[in-house]
Amino acid sequence: QKEVEQNSGPLSVPEGAIASLNCTYSDRGSQSFFWYRQYSGKSPELIMSIYSNGDKEDGRFTAQLNKASQYVSLLIRDSQPSDSATYLCAVDTGFQKLVFGTGTRLLVSP
Amino acid sequence: DAGVTQSPTHLIKTRGQQVTLRCSPISGHKSVSWYQQVLGQGPQFIFQYYEKEERGRGNFPDRFSARQFPNYSSELNVNALLLGDSALYLCASSSESSYNSPLHFGNGTRLTVT
Repeated sequence: QKEVEQNSGPLSVPEGAIASLNCTYSDRGSQSFFWYRQYSGKSPELIMSIYSNGDKEDGRFTAQLNKASQYVSLLIRDSQPSDSATYLCAVDTGFQKLVFGTGTRLLVSP
Repeated sequence: DAGVTQSPTHLIKTRGQQVTLRCSPISGHKSVSWYQQVLGQGPQFIFQYYEKEERGRGNFPDRFSARQFPNYSSELNVNALLLGDSALYLCASSSESSYNSPLHFGNGTRLTVT
């Protein structure tokens, strides 16, 4: 069973702080890793993709990948109340078959 | 540019009925995938189609079927509905069927089975 594990949270951070979201996966052959943001009652929205070891930055978001440790993380700098949502980690296990974690709920307080 | 569009947005059906959900991918996208998301869980893979061919199928019963049309739109059919089929059904498209082609999701169809 190919699995993706996330802490369900909620992760509470004050406005302006750094939020750190973590994800581990079991399939060592995975090549593609994604972070989606999902507001309550809405569909997932792609915010980051990462394919190679290291860091990838896009605005306030940084994705980190460590394939040896089978670990993916997402850092959100200068967190805003509008970042409050569920963050889904997804791993491509082949032919774009994404396996999702259950998501981490992030709460950013003003 | 229009994103992935799904119809209908909401649907209420009775156990044993059949349902058809529709999806139009982003213009130029050839790959369409279907996911089921129950409350409190991450989306679960149902099907992937690329160039009208089924490329992948998730762990769902044969009551679930899908197809992709020449214009790359897609339909998901579910027969003999069960209460447990109540969920948000998500369609996603991508430009190619490759590992570095991210999926973009539509707004989903919320199916309620009573």
